Amino acid sequence: DAGVIQSPRHEVTEMGQEVTLRCKPISGHDYLFWYRQTMMRGLELLIYFNNNVPIDDSGMPEDRFSAKMPNASFSTLKIQPSEPRDSAVYFCASSLTRFTDTQYFGPGTRLTVL
Amino acid sequence: AQTVTQSQPEMSVQEAETVTLSCTYDTSESNYYLFWYKQPPSRQMILVIRQEAYKQQNATENRFSVNFQKAAKSFSLKISDSQLGDTAMYFCAFMKPLTGANSKLTFGKGITLSVRP
Repeated sequence: DAGVIQSPRHEVTEMGQEVTLRCKPISGHDYLFWYRQTMMRGLELLIYFNNNVPIDDSGMPEDRFSAKMPNASFSTLKIQPSEPRDSAVYFCASSLTRFTDTQYFGPGTRLTVL
Repeated sequence: AQTVTQSQPEMSVQEAETVTLSCTYDTSESNYYLFWYKQPPSRQMILVIRQEAYKQQNATENRFSVNFQKAAKSFSLKISDSQLGDTAMYFCAFMKPLTGANSKLTFGKGITLSVRP
């Protein structure tokens, strides 16, 4: 299996622009998670899906952030408009069939907002 | 809310030696899951080892083992025969077996481990 796939690996954009991060979970995994990692706040869960349905989005920082999962093999995290404080590494992770199954992380997307 | 504490920000070990990374957590739950993840310079988060709280036996994965002390709420990671490729940031994480808004994988701040040749 190729593991969790994220694209792009690096994204540099200017303040105010729309940013879309993409994730393909491991085939057969029912749960998908989006995390953000910064030096100040460490790793934070933003949102997670079960069978393509958003379950908990309480970690999404504000309305500028939105996430979708149109099918079992694809999810997006969108930031519109982006701000410099959104600069971070964004990880996608997936797990098998139970919430407590081990989460497997993608390589992350390093986002820089100028 | 659960908290995970990794009090050592950095550690260094000589290649082939053994090193132990500390982690404590705070919870009122009796059943939960604990993890160690490794983040090398490539930034990818890689699962090192997992422990279910209801299991008394400490988990082991090749050179990696844990010392799980449930009463003390301690979950340390021992790396034996350290290798240069073990150089990374290591995160301790906690999860309770619930779904919904009150449960998530909670990470510690991490510890940077350097293996010296």
